Amino acid sequence: NAGVTQTPKFQVLKTGQSMTLQCAQDMNHNSMYWYRQDPGMGLRLIYYSASEGTTDKGEVPNGYNVSRLNKREFSLRLESAAPSQTSVYFCASRADRDQETQYFGPGTRLLVL
Amino acid sequence: AQKVTQAQTEISVVEKEDVTLDCVYETRDTTYYLFWYKQPPSGELVFLIRRNSFDEQNEISGRYSWNFQKSTSSFNFTITASQVVDSAVYFCALSDLYSGGGADGLTFGKGTHLIIQP
Repeated sequence: NAGVTQTPKFQVLKTGQSMTLQCAQDMNHNSMYWYRQDPGMGLRLIYYSASEGTTDKGEVPNGYNVSRLNKREFSLRLESAAPSQTSVYFCASRADRDQETQYFGPGTRLLVL
Repeated sequence: AQKVTQAQTEISVVEKEDVTLDCVYETRDTTYYLFWYKQPPSGELVFLIRRNSFDEQNEISGRYSWNFQKSTSSFNFTITASQVVDSAVYFCALSDLYSGGGADGLTFGKGTHLIIQP
């Protein structure tokens, strides 16, 4: 049972480059989330998707875009990477409102030079 | 607004000691959930426990126990007879069901780095 998977595991970008972080879940969950983790900051919500076809901004959405491609997949795109976006990115999913537990992927470590 | 405070940035104890990780939360909602997650050195986030706001019973799972007190808005986590494998960063998190237009996600504390020395 794969749960939540993320690709790539690690990426180095130059300032101004673009890239897409991929996330997929095989638990048939409705809601999916993208968080970033910075040292000493805990995790902060970037974007979320309550269901296929819907997306909403979280606490720190600037500089990111998302796509909920289907129920399984939720991607995060950096159009023009900046050093401030150096972080570890986690994708998570949750079944529905009555089951609040979010399950996390292994994370993507991104370094922007 | 939601807020989770983990005042202990880092705790270091010797193996077999008991250790308590503190978590204090703020929310305006009467219905909410509290969580603890473990992040070992490998980096993944491991779900440990979920507690809803209407269930104040303490919970024990092996060497782990959780003390939820609404009166003090706290949800503390105790590890009994700690082991080196317990070394990790532990996050407390909050989710409320009716955030009045707020983001539908978890609000995390900044984490407590627990070091268990052999």
